[in-house]
Amino acid sequence: EPEVTQTPSHQVTQMGQEVILRCVPISNHLYFYWYRQILGQKVEFLVSFYNNEISEKSEIFDDQFSVERPDGSNFTLKIRSTKLEDSAMYFCASSDNRDYSGNTIYFGEGSWLTVV
Amino acid sequence: AQKITQTQPGMFVQEKEAVTLDCTYDTSDQSYGLFWYKQPSSGEMIFLIYQGSYDEQNATEGRYSLNFQKARKSANLVISASQLGDSAMYFCAMREWMDSSYKLIFGSGTRLLVRP
Repeated sequence: EPEVTQTPSHQVTQMGQEVILRCVPISNHLYFYWYRQILGQKVEFLVSFYNNEISEKSEIFDDQFSVERPDGSNFTLKIRSTKLEDSAMYFCASSDNRDYSGNTIYFGEGSWLTVV
Repeated sequence: AQKITQTQPGMFVQEKEAVTLDCTYDTSDQSYGLFWYKQPSSGEMIFLIYQGSYDEQNATEGRYSLNFQKARKSANLVISASQLGDSAMYFCAMREWMDSSYKLIFGSGTRLLVRP
């Protein structure tokens, strides 16, 4: 069964450093997403991406965050200058179309980011 | 106001018995989708089941079924014949349309523990 893959599974970084989290969405999917989950809290939407541009972003997704689809298969989330509060599990997700009926969003296994 | 409410922070169930995890939602949209995801201790988000607002029948996927009561705005997950491997966090989520794409809004989750 096709799946969303994410790397790294876990990264520890110093505060202020740049981090890039990588995702390979399911190959025929068109919509890509990043969500995050701070330890013990609910999953929160960060950003959606379609047709090589951001469709929507949440208030969490400030200027420190950016997304890119550099080569048609990878989908990356960059945090320019990490803060302690960026420590969380980051999930990449993808779906095949925007149609309401029967559409499923598939998540990757997550990238656990620890900022020290 | 909470859009997705999961009132049970934790649940116990005896192995081989059925369990119902509650979820209520709030939306004024006529067309929406409801999802359940399982998150084991390893952290990944596993899609379990989907119910569309126009689906007349309750969704079923193996041992998972969704008790969809549209008028009451509830979408409870029923797990039949619980197994030890069902011990995990379970998240209910609603797909919400934004300006040009949609996002998932998650509930706070229910931690299920299956007792041998």
